[in-house]
Amino acid sequence: DTGVSQNPRHKITKRGQNVTFRCDPISEHNRLYWYRQTLGQGPEFLTYFQNEAQLEKSRLLSDRFSAERPKGSFSTLEIQRTEQGDSAMYLCASSLTPTIYFGEGSWLTVV
Amino acid sequence: AQTVTQSQPEMSVQEAETVTLSCTYDTSESNYYLFWYKQPPSRQMILVIRQEAYKQQNATENRFSVNFQKAAKSFSLKISDSQLGDTAMYFCAYPRSGAGSYQLTFGKGTKLSVIP
Repeated sequence: DTGVSQNPRHKITKRGQNVTFRCDPISEHNRLYWYRQTLGQGPEFLTYFQNEAQLEKSRLLSDRFSAERPKGSFSTLEIQRTEQGDSAMYLCASSLTPTIYFGEGSWLTVV
Repeated sequence: AQTVTQSQPEMSVQEAETVTLSCTYDTSESNYYLFWYKQPPSRQMILVIRQEAYKQQNATENRFSVNFQKAAKSFSLKISDSQLGDTAMYFCAYPRSGAGSYQLTFGKGTKLSVIP
């Protein structure tokens, strides 16, 4: 069990640039989630995939955010035209059962 | 909408002592799961313990146990023999099922400090 893997772990970008994060879930897990967490807060749900289908999107996921999971394996989360308010940790998680396992997160700082 | 409330923003405990973290939740479902996650500073969110609502017996994992009161919608976490490595943010979480998802709703967390 290699766990949920995320990269890059840290990204500093200038406002207006695009960034992409990658998540490799635990291999047999068909469900994949993206969450956002700001300092001192609990994670907030962004979006959910079952296999390759994106089945749920939070209202937090503005038009500048897009997520994909081609072939139901790894997933990418892209943020276009980043804003300072996008600075946060982006957590990926996966599951097969109701128990969800998290990756180490990708920290985004927009300057 | 489901909500999860953790009323203790910060707590501290002496090493080797016992501490209890509180969590209440709101749901109209009868069968569900509840979770406690631990997030050490700048580190990964780790599952501590899981409770299935249809089980009357409280879950236990080594030094961690829960007091699950279904009628009161209360789900507290007890940490016995606290260790320095228990210093972390602790989040109570409830999964909302729908569209095959187990999307978690988290409380705001309790910051636990274990004092040597």
